[in-house]
Amino acid sequence: QVQLVESGGGVVQPGRSLRLSCAASGFTFSTYGMHWVRQAPGKGLEWVAVISYFGNNKYYADSVKGRFTISRDNSKNTLYLQMNSLRAEDTALYYCAKSVERLGGYFDYWGQGTLVTVSS
Amino acid sequence: SYVLTQPPSVSVAPGQTARIPCGENNIGSKSVHWYQQKPGQAPVVVICYDSDRPSGIPERFSGSNSGNTATLTISRVEAGDEADYYCQVWDGSSDHVVFGGGTKLTVL
Repeated sequence: QVQLVESGGGVVQPGRSLRLSCAASGFTFSTYGMHWVRQAPGKGLEWVAVISYFGNNKYYADSVKGRFTISRDNSKNTLYLQMNSLRAEDTALYYCAKSVERLGGYFDYWGQGTLVTVSS
Repeated sequence: SYVLTQPPSVSVAPGQTARIPCGENNIGSKSVHWYQQKPGQAPVVVICYDSDRPSGIPERFSGSNSGNTATLTISRVEAGDEADYYCQVWDGSSDHVVFGGGTKLTVL
């Protein structure tokens, strides 16, 4: 069965960095696009970033472009999100999600999320 | 940029039909996907590619998309359908995923 397990969340001060990981299993990781989606407390879903299956295409929401970097290691079946220059408004539950297509389409599997809190 | 507009809330009595719209100019030219999210849980896709129902989703869930509005329809609403619902598209012109703001479905 498909499993996506996020880790790396925590409490961090504004301006600091954090790296999230998403361990994937139960499917051929290297053949699907992968996304990060976040949800601030009590708010809606916000797409963060996508990476194509070989990692050569990456796209970001305007709110994180230049601060966040998405990457993947297909040999380890793991997706990453490097978050730099964190702001209070980055506080959210961060989900990794598997795409059914190379980049777009819909998300057929989601992790349970890892909580990032940016606070001094 | 692409913006998907959903009403914040929709209320319906059990057994009735709920319709949740998702609006944007010419959304009918894109594929729309719908997610259900219950408190404390990750979203689950209930409709993909406008009107396809993934395995395990009840036939009571259906979708349509034409012109400037996509619609998620839930027939014979049950108490267990109470949740937040989000529409989503892939905007190929910007290579971005776009979510609607979400609609809270309340079963009266």
